Parts: sequence; structure tokens; C-alpha cells
Amino acid sequence: DVKVTQSSRYLVKRTGEKVFLECVQDMDHENMFWYRQDPGLGLRLIYFSYDVKMKEKGDIPEGYSVSREKKERFSLILESASTNQTSMYLCASSKTQSTDTQYFGPGTRLTVL
Amino acid sequence: QKEVEQDPGPLSVPEGAIVSLNCTYSNSAFQYFMWYRQYSRKGPELLMYTYSSGNKEDGRFTAQVDKSSKYISLFIRDSQPSDSATYLCAMSPGEKLTFGTGTRLTIIP
Repeated sequence: DVKVTQSSRYLVKRTGEKVFLECVQDMDHENMFWYRQDPGLGLRLIYFSYDVKMKEKGDIPEGYSVSREKKERFSLILESASTNQTSMYLCASSKTQSTDTQYFGPGTRLTVL
Repeated sequence: QKEVEQDPGPLSVPEGAIVSLNCTYSNSAFQYFMWYRQYSRKGPELLMYTYSSGNKEDGRFTAQVDKSSKYISLFIRDSQPSDSATYLCAMSPGEKLTFGTGTRLTIIP
């Protein structure tokens, strides 16, 4: 069974703080993704990675960065959190192609005050 | 205009009814079409996967793709309360996925 875990279910941070969201998958998947999910906007891709140390911008990368030092771990970094980054953040992984089944973690609800 | 349009609902139907969920899209390069189901406070999980046009059936679920009309559908037969969830369509030309906004479905016992 594929398992994707995220470091926190709920997180509250203050404006300007540096925020780290971590994601770990246990199925040796090559691709990993970070999305944010907002009412009325659906899932939007922030960044994805198809290999260790590789990253590609998604549709809304502004204000975010990522790190993938190990195959199983993909981190999303908010350098200076802002209130408009309050959202549900979902991590996903897929075996080789982006169009392979994506397996999602449970999500992190981030609130920036 | 969004690349993928999906009616957000909410949609409420009685148990046992046939449910029809739909998405339209504008990008003719989309070749891969998926339906994900998301229960409350959980991540989405893949429900149906279709490549190009045609129908695919899996138990009570049928996915249809009409590329000429740029329209995809998910049908749920004999709907159950456990089908209550948000259903997201997703599609891709071969790279990253583009998701619809999701339709919230409630099956009333």
C-alpha cells in the first residue's frame, strides 16, 4: 500500500515566518508534487520534482520554494509566510510519469495570521 | 476562462439514484482523464482513469470521455451514503495534471 505522509495536519504561523512543510512517501516513487487546495479554485500545482535535486515550477510557484535531497522526501518552503498563503496543502507522489496515478497525503491545513 | 470547468454543487441525491458528474475542458491536447474522490479531511484518491475517448466501467462507476465535445462524465449507479464525497476531475496532455474545482456530492439515506 502506498503511503504518503505529511508532517502536520494543522499549522498556525505568523506573517513573515519561514514555514517548512514536509512530505514523505514510502513506495520509491520518482515523482513528487505539492498542491494547494482552495474553495472555488480546486487543486493548483505549486512545484513538482521528477528526481532527487530536480524541481519544476507548477502553475503558482510565487512565494514558495522546494527541496528534494532524498528520493522519498519533498519539502515545501514558504520563505516569508503571508495571509494569502492560508490554505490546504497536499503532497502527492507518482511512480514514473506525471500521468501515473498520483497518491496523495492527508493534507496540511496552514493558517497564516 | 479556466481550462477545466466543473460545477461545484453541492449535489444531493437520494440513496439508490444514478448520479451524473461532469467536466468540460478547453485544451484539445488533453489525452488522459481521471476522476478522484476526496472524503472530508482526507487527500484525493484515484477512482477512474481513462486514456483518450470512450467509456470505462468499474463496478458501479462508469467514466465517459467525449473528446469531440471536450466533455467528460462520471456516472455512479445505485448510489450509497458512502459515496458522499467531493469528486474532482483531472486531465493532462501527458505532463502535469489540471484539476477541476470538484463537485461536493451527498447521498441521502
